[in-house]
Amino acid sequence: GQQVKQSSPSLTVQEGGILILNCDYENDMFDYFAWYKKYPDNSPTLLISVRSNVDKREDGRFTVFLNKSGKHFSLHITASQPEDTAVYLCAAGLNQGGSAKLIFGEGTKLTVSS
Amino acid sequence: EAAVTQSPRSKVAVTGGKVTLSCHQTNNHDYMYWYRQDTGHGLRLIHYSYVADSTEKGDIPDGYKASRPSQENFSLILELASLSQTAVYFCASSDPGGATGQLYFGEGSKLTVL
Repeated sequence: GQQVKQSSPSLTVQEGGILILNCDYENDMFDYFAWYKKYPDNSPTLLISVRSNVDKREDGRFTVFLNKSGKHFSLHITASQPEDTAVYLCAAGLNQGGSAKLIFGEGTKLTVSS
Repeated sequence: EAAVTQSPRSKVAVTGGKVTLSCHQTNNHDYMYWYRQDTGHGLRLIHYSYVADSTEKGDIPDGYKASRPSQENFSLILELASLSQTAVYFCASSDPGGATGQLYFGEGSKLTVL
């Protein structure tokens, strides 16, 4: 089964709006959670990550919320911009010794319309 | 700047043929990974390596071999390519001493098996 699952294959939001991307995971041993951003024909790049010892991390317009008991984490994007249009991949795993052996979700294609 | 380069960037292979995808990193990272991307599946881990001359099976290793002859180089080998192996393949590296657990991805190799 899918160990890491994103609930929405696609989302559209108006420029300037707030959006939430969701991700559920199955393995309660996972201790590392990340969101990667991918433009078409480009490689994924890390957007933001959080470890299991915190339940929130903010970086500018991007905030990750972690709900360990619910095995769920989300990415909140505020003041969305056209350049946010991309595929967002959530990922979770055991970050032991720096080895990021991650399980990725299927991706959510985000479109920010102007 | 982290650098992971893949070759070839694009390849057409025949069913039953042998395909080798190569990856080279100049990050001085110990950990390297091969993922494949398919529509609706996100990124799935095929093989990974913690150290030169050693490889580990990921989540979908069947039909693939991996080789890590040096810290810098990691190859993915399809001995008998099949139609189902048509996909985009991404190589990545990570730093065991890094705080973020970040994966640095290559540009991707698009493989079409006919």
